[in-house]
Amino acid sequence: EAGVTQFPSHSVIEKGQTVTLRCDPISGHDNLYWYRRVMGKEIKFLLHFVKESKQDESGMPNNRFLAERTGGTYSTLKVQPAELEDSGVYFCASSPTRNTEAFFGQGTRLTVV
Amino acid sequence: DAKTTQPPSMDCAEGRAANLPCNHSTISGNEYVYWYRQIHSQGPQYIIHGLKNNETNEMASLIITEDRKSSTLILPHATLRDTAVYYCIVKQTGANNLFFGTGTRLTVIP
Repeated sequence: EAGVTQFPSHSVIEKGQTVTLRCDPISGHDNLYWYRRVMGKEIKFLLHFVKESKQDESGMPNNRFLAERTGGTYSTLKVQPAELEDSGVYFCASSPTRNTEAFFGQGTRLTVV
Repeated sequence: DAKTTQPPSMDCAEGRAANLPCNHSTISGNEYVYWYRQIHSQGPQYIIHGLKNNETNEMASLIITEDRKSSTLILPHATLRDTAVYYCIVKQTGANNLFFGTGTRLTVIP
């Protein structure tokens, strides 16, 4: 069974540009989460989808970040326009229910220069 | 948001048991104790979780004190590949997310 996959694994963009990160959860997992670790900080929750609905987006830092999960399958996280402080590693995770363990992807390392 | 306290780092000799402590003195009745780890450059990996009884799986054992205010993750025979940051997390039933603190950096020494 394939795990959680994220694309791209690395992205380097200039300040002001747009970047879209993609996450493919484990098949059948209704719950999808985005987390990130910015330089020197702890891993922080961004948001949670149940199928295609945003259940909790309390961790989204500002309106430059937009997450979608059309059709309740894969999810995208768009950063527009990117700022230097957005650099970090973005993790996606999925789980069958909220009360089961979450499986994480390998992350996307985003560098904004 | 952090509800757990862990030592920042620990060493363990290869082949020996690694015992990683965690304090969660304010844990409430419907909160589980979860352990995850992050090996360098990889995503966090689930290890084990429990409510009040001790738990064991193929990776580790989790010992929770009777008052539930602390717990210990035990890796019975640590290998070099167990070198990672280990996170102890308390999570309510039905909660949306995991609060990762700073964790314990475990270094397994040959």
